[in-house]
Amino acid sequence: DAKTTQPPSMDCAEGRAANLPCNHSTISGNEYVYWYRQIHSQGPQYIIHGLKNNETNEMASLIITEDRKSSTLILPHATLRDTAVYYCIVSPRHNNAGNMLTFGGGTRLMVKP
Amino acid sequence: DADVTQTPRNRITKTGKRIMLECSQTKGHDRMYWYRQDPGLGLQLIYYSFDVKDINKGEISDGYSVSRQAQAKFSLSLESAIPNQTALYFCATSDPGQLKQFFGPGTRLTVL
Repeated sequence: DAKTTQPPSMDCAEGRAANLPCNHSTISGNEYVYWYRQIHSQGPQYIIHGLKNNETNEMASLIITEDRKSSTLILPHATLRDTAVYYCIVSPRHNNAGNMLTFGGGTRLMVKP
Repeated sequence: DADVTQTPRNRITKTGKRIMLECSQTKGHDRMYWYRQDPGLGLQLIYYSFDVKDINKGEISDGYSVSRQAQAKFSLSLESAIPNQTALYFCATSDPGQLKQFFGPGTRLTVL
């Protein structure tokens, strides 16, 4: 599976957009980009995923570059409750390892008042 | 009620003891997973199960065993606990072909 690179930490002011980058320069054509977040020792929570088109849901937007080598998760109006570790994961939708998610270090987002 | 539940939520045990962590789900998913998380690190896959009759080792299965008693239940056992198994343990579920996994609240295990 392709590996991802994320900044270890970021700050964001409450009410502003939080833009979390992820580099996945070795991504394969059949691999999706998934984002999860983990709020202090709770179970990870699915946020959004995409293949090559930009995606938006009630939680966030995902912008994937045309060459698919990087992506950005956007939280349009960050709140204090968005403080969490955000994980960017790339994986085929169907893989021999049973849809295994490989979690790296993630980005620790701190939303400040 | 939560879709994925784990018991116990916290456990302190001693080296050499046998420990069982339990996971139950009401989502009707076929696939279930056990992960562990060490402080400040990401999650590592221990075991996963495609269905009741299909169990597979993950990245770090040594020292662990699992049992899929029913579609809704997946248990993780530490046959002889050791201190470096002190960690947060998460159970997760998913539908086949989906990477969207649903996680339980976690079990904090401390081995003294």
